[in-house]
Amino acid sequence: NAGVMQNPRHLVRRRGQEARLRCSPVKGHSHVYWYRQLPEEGLKFMVYLQKENIIDESGMPKERFSAEFPKEGPSILRIQQVVRGDSAAYFCASSDTGGALYYEQYFGPGTRLTVT
Amino acid sequence: KNEVEQSPQNLTAQEGEFITINCSYSVGISALHWLQQHPGGGIVSLFMLSSGKKKHGRLIATINIQEKHSSLHITASHPRDSAVYICAVNGGATNKLIFGTGTLLAVQP
Repeated sequence: NAGVMQNPRHLVRRRGQEARLRCSPVKGHSHVYWYRQLPEEGLKFMVYLQKENIIDESGMPKERFSAEFPKEGPSILRIQQVVRGDSAAYFCASSDTGGALYYEQYFGPGTRLTVT
Repeated sequence: KNEVEQSPQNLTAQEGEFITINCSYSVGISALHWLQQHPGGGIVSLFMLSSGKKKHGRLIATINIQEKHSSLHITASHPRDSAVYICAVNGGATNKLIFGTGTLLAVQP
């Protein structure tokens, strides 16, 4: 199965610690999107990356959050000094350009972050 | 006002019923998606469409670009269809998705 992989699936952190969420896109996909789903809320866009570039980070909180998608290896969403409000499900999706105007996004299973 | 609105928010149906979930959007889009999410689970893409109608098994999705409206229909509903159904649109130049708040569907046997 060459689908989107995310790990860990569940992550527990104490307030003030760092959280690192990993996303391996579908093989051959060069576009990665991160979305966040807060408890009892809908999904919200965070950031869109292509290999080695951040294309759109308009949904990222201004502080403590960063994302990267290196030439080799998975995309990483990093949250520094986590707070309870960061507790959420974080989903990664990937797509290929395909030369089309719009591209289907394939979602990973998500990482559920709990901050205690 | 949200850019993507869904109705109803909650829906309970009896097994076998025909179900319709509606989605309206206020932004220009290149495509609209219907997604399914089971409680505590991942997200599955059901349809991506930019015009007309698509059918997959018991699921049918339609879109009216002029009216900025889409519907998801489930025929002969089954308890295993119980899930949250989410409408999302590709907005802007970066293909990012803008999501509706979802419709929680419960199909009772």
